[in-house]
Amino acid sequence: QSVLTQPPSVSGAPGQRVTISCTGSSSNIGAGYDVHWYQHLPGTAPKLLIYYNNNRPSGVPDRFSGSKSGTSASLAITGLRAEDEADYYCQSYDRSLSASVVFGGGTKLTVL
Amino acid sequence: QLQLQESGPGLAKPSETLSLTCTVSGGSISSSVHYWGWIRQPPGKGLEWIGSIYYSGSTYYNPSLKSRVIISVDTSKNQFSLKLNSLTAADTAMFYCARRDNAGGHFDYWGQGTLVIVSS
Repeated sequence: QSVLTQPPSVSGAPGQRVTISCTGSSSNIGAGYDVHWYQHLPGTAPKLLIYYNNNRPSGVPDRFSGSKSGTSASLAITGLRAEDEADYYCQSYDRSLSASVVFGGGTKLTVL
Repeated sequence: QLQLQESGPGLAKPSETLSLTCTVSGGSISSSVHYWGWIRQPPGKGLEWIGSIYYSGSTYYNPSLKSRVIISVDTSKNQFSLKLNSLTAADTAMFYCARRDNAGGHFDYWGQGTLVIVSS
């Protein structure tokens, strides 16, 4: 059971907008710790998608955006493309677990 | 461009100790603004942080694995290593090494991963 809760799966048609939620608690996201997001394609290394809640590394399209409010965070993908089909993970920090790095359980995005 | 490459045996036996090494190229492991970490992904499951190390040797570990893990660094070789003991089949996973930004806590560079199967 992950400390950060994500929906197991989401789906959308090409061109649509989807969001992926990441729900935490007062000991992680709610404590003010930053949330980061990764895209993971099978057989490849996870790729940093969003850092510091809403910042994109160089090369990440602006179709990807992040937000954070209270004890939750969200990743939004607009103009969905077939190549966006992947697993997405949120990551933060939890002060109740001996100051531990924590990942969400992951969300499988299917492009219909 | 920074690159990380994991190396180690792809097969390990139950009760034994797994040893993996991550070689960093294109940058220095002695960076004052980064930690270096290990993350694993069991088949069909999500990512799990194992632990991280600073170039000085300072470490911190996932509490659920702390009793079985040792992470060390060799700055002369630009490498850091993972030892995981008392292996069981549940430790079968893809193991990744990655660089972690001190300030933000995000992992910005990752290795391609190495699959470790624990089986007799």
